[in-house]
Amino acid sequence: EIVLTQSPTTMAASPGEKITITCSANSSISSNYLHWYQQKPGFSPKLLIYRTSNLASGVPARFSGSGSGTSYSLTIGTMEAEDVATYYCQQGSSIPRTFGSGTKLEIK
Amino acid sequence: EVKLEESGGGLVQPGGSMKLSCVASGFTFSNYWMNWVRQSPEKGLEWVAEIRLKSNNYATHYAGSVKGRFTISRDDSKSSVYLQMNNLRAEDTGIYYCAAFYYAMDYWGQGTSVTVSS
Repeated sequence: EIVLTQSPTTMAASPGEKITITCSANSSISSNYLHWYQQKPGFSPKLLIYRTSNLASGVPARFSGSGSGTSYSLTIGTMEAEDVATYYCQQGSSIPRTFGSGTKLEIK
Repeated sequence: EVKLEESGGGLVQPGGSMKLSCVASGFTFSNYWMNWVRQSPEKGLEWVAEIRLKSNNYATHYAGSVKGRFTISRDDSKSSVYLQMNNLRAEDTGIYYCAAFYYAMDYWGQGTSVTVSS
C-alpha cells in the first residue's frame, strides 16, 4: 500500500503569504496519478489539482502543483481568506487508492 | 450542473446491512469510473471501492478492510452507483461519499452518514 505523508499537519498563514504543502510517498508514483483536493469546513472534498499540476475547472491560478517520484507539493501563491480548508493529496497509481492525512490551513 | 446525491445512510447495529445509493446528473455517467470514499475523524479520507466501465466489464476493486463485506454496483441506465454493506462494524462508521473518476475524483456528492452502533 502506498502511504502518503503530508506536512505540515496544520498551519496558519497571513493574507498574501505564499504557502507550500508537501506530500511524500513511501514508493514512487507516476505524476499522472497524484491529485490534490480541498475540503472546506462542512463541505465535501473538491478536486483542486489533478495529475500533479493541472488545475481543475474554476480553480484560481494562485494554486499550483509540482513534483515527481515520491515528492509532491501544492503551492498557494498568495493566501486568501477563502483558502481556509483542509488539503489532501491522493494517489491513483495502485489499489488501494490512498489519501494523505490532510493539512489544515488557517488564516492568521 | 454536475450533481451527485447519496442516500441510504443511517443507524445500523453491528453485524447489520445497509445499501447506499448515489444518483448522478450533469455529466455522462457511463464514461466515469465510480468510487465510494468514506471519512471519519479517526481515519480521515479512506477509499472504499471502485467500479469501472462497461468496456472494462464493470471491474471492481475494494479496500482490504471491506473486501468480502461490501459490494459496489452501478446501473448506467439510471446514472446510479450503489454500495451494499454487510456485516457492518463500528469502524465502518463515517460519512460516505460517492465520487466520479475520470482523471481524478472529479466530482463528489455531499455524503451520507452511516453510524454502526448498538
